[in-house]
Amino acid sequence: ETGVTQTPRHLVMGMTNKKSLKCEQHLGHNAMYWYKQSAKKPLELMFVYNFKEQTENNSVPSRFSPECPNSSHLFLHLHTLQPEDSALYLCASSPDKASGGDSTDTQYFGPGTRLTVL
Amino acid sequence: GENVEQHPSTLSVQEGDSAVIKCTYSDSASNYFPWYKQELGKGPQLIIDIRSNVGEKKDQRIAVTLNKTAKHFSLHITETQPEDSAVYFCAASKNQGGKLIFGQGTELSVKP
Repeated sequence: ETGVTQTPRHLVMGMTNKKSLKCEQHLGHNAMYWYKQSAKKPLELMFVYNFKEQTENNSVPSRFSPECPNSSHLFLHLHTLQPEDSALYLCASSPDKASGGDSTDTQYFGPGTRLTVL
Repeated sequence: GENVEQHPSTLSVQEGDSAVIKCTYSDSASNYFPWYKQELGKGPQLIIDIRSNVGEKKDQRIAVTLNKTAKHFSLHITETQPEDSAVYFCAASKNQGGKLIFGQGTELSVKP
């Protein structure tokens, strides 16, 4: 599990707070992902970064703002969230190298951040 | 859009028995099918995957089968043990930027 780390592991925030989730991968991968996992629902892809460039935004509300300063780090900035945003937020990485998206490689997940919005 | 259906949502077996989880996918262009195991408090961990150029793959007690014509793939766990208890997710992808479409998950309980 040390390949992809996430901090914090647990976060409780009010609707007016601003917080950030951090993900770091030590696998030398080029692609990183944010997923939302809610109870009784499949994992929902939020954002994809490939070589630090955002290649996918899955209709995510603007109160979620991703940032990828380099291929090893990924952030999710949170602002004015709603109680329904409470969920497990998972980061993943893969060695995807194809800028054209022709190569799909295995995704490795971090342990997640359990977010509760009050 | 692409959809992956997974059944059953819960599965309870006795230790030593086999467990089978099934998934169907909608996009015939899908060609990569991983299975993940998620234990309580942890992120999903890849346990086995299969690509569309093979019909079956086995790794010790775990096997995955793929029927491209029917767009079905299944996870088989033999000689189940209590530590196999977890939520299992199937997924499908068609080699486009690594986008995985996940099934709804199966909560497997192995009773000693």
